[in-house]
Amino acid sequence: SAVISQKPSRDICQRGTSLTIQCQVDSQVTMMFWYRQQPGQSLTLIATANQGSEATYESGFVIDKFPISRPNLTFSTLTVSNMSPEDSSIYLCSAYGQLYGYTFGSGTRLTVV
Amino acid sequence: SQQGEEDPQALSIQEGENATMNCSYKTSINNLQWYRQNSGRGLVHLILIRSNEREKHSGRLRVTLDTSKKSSSLLITASRAADTASYFCATSKTGANNLFFGTGTRLTVIP
Repeated sequence: SAVISQKPSRDICQRGTSLTIQCQVDSQVTMMFWYRQQPGQSLTLIATANQGSEATYESGFVIDKFPISRPNLTFSTLTVSNMSPEDSSIYLCSAYGQLYGYTFGSGTRLTVV
Repeated sequence: SQQGEEDPQALSIQEGENATMNCSYKTSINNLQWYRQNSGRGLVHLILIRSNEREKHSGRLRVTLDTSKKSSSLLITASRAADTASYFCATSKTGANNLFFGTGTRLTVIP
């Protein structure tokens, strides 16, 4: 299966600042996704990261708040902008490839103070 | 929302007992998967069952799928303390590749 390197693994940030999370996959992938997991909750899809074009956002998530880049097939970033305490969550990236199915990064635990 | 429902929300059993978790979903699916998450970290893929399959086994895991009832169950036999984790079902909708996750079951196995 593919391996995803996600960083940072955790961060504590001041409100009003922004954090960029990176994901690197070690194999060619078809799709990359970003999820949010609020404390004690399940995973909610934020967006599908599209190579070389704007991400496709799910209802309730907007590009200004969660800008996403995917400059090539194996790398993507998610930025959490103008953070507030409500953004404190675990953020996970995921990749899908026809050969190995779905793989998840180890997550970024974000605390906004 | 595409999110599925799981029950129970929490389950506590003695080591050696079997654990059963149930998942219900709302739309037509291509496949259903079960994942494990330890302490809010990354997800570990456990097993995938396709929409045309009814039952699948992998080691101590047994998964069933009933597409007429839009439900699935995960059975962990002879549980171990190391099985303590949160378990999520996730569906892949027909024609789409992103996953929709259930609400999760928190399993505690007492040594």
